[in-house]
Amino acid sequence: GAGVSQSPSNKVTEKGKDVELRCDPISGHTALYWYRQSLGQGLEFLIYFQGNSAPDKSGLPSDRFSAERTGGSVSTLTIQRTQQEDSAVYLCASSLFPRGRRETQYFGPGTRLLVL
Amino acid sequence: KQEVTQIPAALSVPEGENLVLNCSFTDSAIYNLQWFRQDPGKGLTSLLLIQSSQREQTSGRLNASLDKSSGRSTLYIAASQPGDSATYLCAVMNLNSGGYQKVTFGTGTKLQVIP
Repeated sequence: GAGVSQSPSNKVTEKGKDVELRCDPISGHTALYWYRQSLGQGLEFLIYFQGNSAPDKSGLPSDRFSAERTGGSVSTLTIQRTQQEDSAVYLCASSLFPRGRRETQYFGPGTRLLVL
Repeated sequence: KQEVTQIPAALSVPEGENLVLNCSFTDSAIYNLQWFRQDPGKGLTSLLLIQSSQREQTSGRLNASLDKSSGRSTLYIAASQPGDSATYLCAVMNLNSGGYQKVTFGTGTKLQVIP
């Protein structure tokens, strides 16, 4: 079956512009995660959606970052007024909740964002 | 705040060797721990998931152990192959007071297996 997909695969933008990153999780997966990986850094947790519940936004680095998940499926991560330090690979993952072996997270290929 | 450390940061071994990658975490109240590999330019691939109640998981040449009390996990790779070359990431999941999952990743171990 299809895995997690993300679009675009690469995005180059100018400082100050807004960008939208999209994630399509595996069908039927109720949990969706966004992470980012800056050059030479580990993975940083950003936000987590579980079904239709309010998301855990505790990892978002600033109020310029926001995310939505429509209909419990597709998610969009929006970065407003991008800054150069936002340049990173943004990874999305999904898992089948609730507890058990189904918690394994499956990752998409990521979106490489470069802010000039 | 959970902190996850992986040692070594990089490792180079000849093909055929058995090797151990280490992961340590500061908050032992974890929900589960997952090992991933990351190939250059690609996303993450899940290798093994260990629940907090488990001590180890095995998949093929891979064996992951978990010692919650000491805040440690190891990933054992038997008979390493050049195709094992990748960055290996350890990820620890906690549940916060609101019941939300929070995942903390280590910085990874970059493995090179030399033919």
